[in-house]
Amino acid sequence: QVQLVQSGPEVKKPGASVRVSCKASGYIFTNYTIHWVRQAPGQRLEWMGWLNPGTGYGKLSKKFQGRLSLPRDTSASIAYMELSSLTSEDTAIYYCARIKLDYYHGLDVWGQGTTVTVSS
Amino acid sequence: VMTQSPLSLPVTPGEPASISCRSGQSLLYSNGYNYVDWYLQRPGQSPQLLIYLGSNRASGVPDRFSGSGSGTDFTLKISRVEPEDVGVYYCMQPLQTPFTFGPGTKVDIK
Repeated sequence: QVQLVQSGPEVKKPGASVRVSCKASGYIFTNYTIHWVRQAPGQRLEWMGWLNPGTGYGKLSKKFQGRLSLPRDTSASIAYMELSSLTSEDTAIYYCARIKLDYYHGLDVWGQGTTVTVSS
Repeated sequence: VMTQSPLSLPVTPGEPASISCRSGQSLLYSNGYNYVDWYLQRPGQSPQLLIYLGSNRASGVPDRFSGSGSGTDFTLKISRVEPEDVGVYYCMQPLQTPFTFGPGTKVDIK
């Protein structure tokens, strides 16, 4: 079945970097964009950026520019979220989700979420 | 900026419920579609899509959920609340990046 499976929880020290993976299965990876959304404790959902896995083109929220990158491995159908210069404010659950390329129909499939904790 | 009201909504099973979402700018695009989605995040789970482009139910979503509105004001209605409908409901605008979410409306059983 269609699913996005994310990597496990991470604990990082301030100033470090983190990489979260999102493996797609059950559909053609390059027919959908991958979006990253995070949720800090008690906060609303926050959109971070998106990537077209087929072309490598994407867009990042200005809030994260300079320390966020969204690489992918199309041969393995995996998208990654890499966030550097971590602070305690980056402690959150990070989700990947997909949107169909040819016709907008919402973030229809979400990963299970990856908890990232930043603590000294 | 997306706002929602109410932020907390106690409901009685079998009764209707309604959540409002307002955008600081029009979400009506030139193609005639309103770019607003609704998501439900049940406790301990990932968000799930309920409604996209203002009024289209996502696959598998029960028909007791409906979305309406245009421009800057939108509404999610549940015709008869079921116990499994508890959670936090978010509206989201995907018209411009960064996509933005409302603060969420927490729905629980009275």
